[in-house]
Amino acid sequence: EAGVAQSPRYKIIEKRQSVAFWCNPISGHATLYWYQQILGQGPKLLIQFQNNGVVDDSQLPKDRFSAERLKGVDSTLKIQPAKLEDSAVYLCASSSMARGATGANVLTFGAGSRLTVL
Amino acid sequence: DAKTTQPNSMESNEEEPVHLPCNHSTISGTDYIHWYRQLPSQGPEYVIHGLTSNVNNRMASLAIAEDRKSSTLILHRATLRDAAVYYCILRDVNRHAGNMLTFGGGTRLMVKP
Repeated sequence: EAGVAQSPRYKIIEKRQSVAFWCNPISGHATLYWYQQILGQGPKLLIQFQNNGVVDDSQLPKDRFSAERLKGVDSTLKIQPAKLEDSAVYLCASSSMARGATGANVLTFGAGSRLTVL
Repeated sequence: DAKTTQPNSMESNEEEPVHLPCNHSTISGTDYIHWYRQLPSQGPEYVIHGLTSNVNNRMASLAIAEDRKSSTLILHRATLRDAAVYYCILRDVNRHAGNMLTFGGGTRLMVKP
């Protein structure tokens, strides 16, 4: 099966500019996640969608970050305005597990979008 | 979710077995143990998971202590392509607020030829 697609792979912007990242999850996966990974650290969850609804956005800096998944498939993550500390890899992942379901939850990740803010 | 503790880094020789430890002393009875790894310049990839019994798959084996307070990921013959950061993660299957995985710092495995 096709994996999780992300674009762009690399983006360099200056602080206070805006940027958007796109993610196409595995077909049929209801749950989509955006993670932020700062160099040398593990990924940190920003937002989780189930279909087109937000399940958890408690760690999303809502003053500058926004995300949407309008038709329950593709998703975009936007940063406006960007700060130096937003330099990171933005990872999208998807899974077939629905909210509240029991059992193991296997996530499939994309390759990520590397953002450098100058 | 309960916290895990892993060594920051480990070294191994190529074609030798590797045992990657993970401590999770506050694990609850409904926590699944997941292992993911992240190769350079890639997103994390699923390796294996288990609840109580030891598990084997194509990639690795997972040995879970009887009291479940620790586990070990076993790579039977390390190759240079196994050089990655390995993450041990707990997920409570009864958690209803969401089902995301919370990553720690992981163990960086270096494989020497």
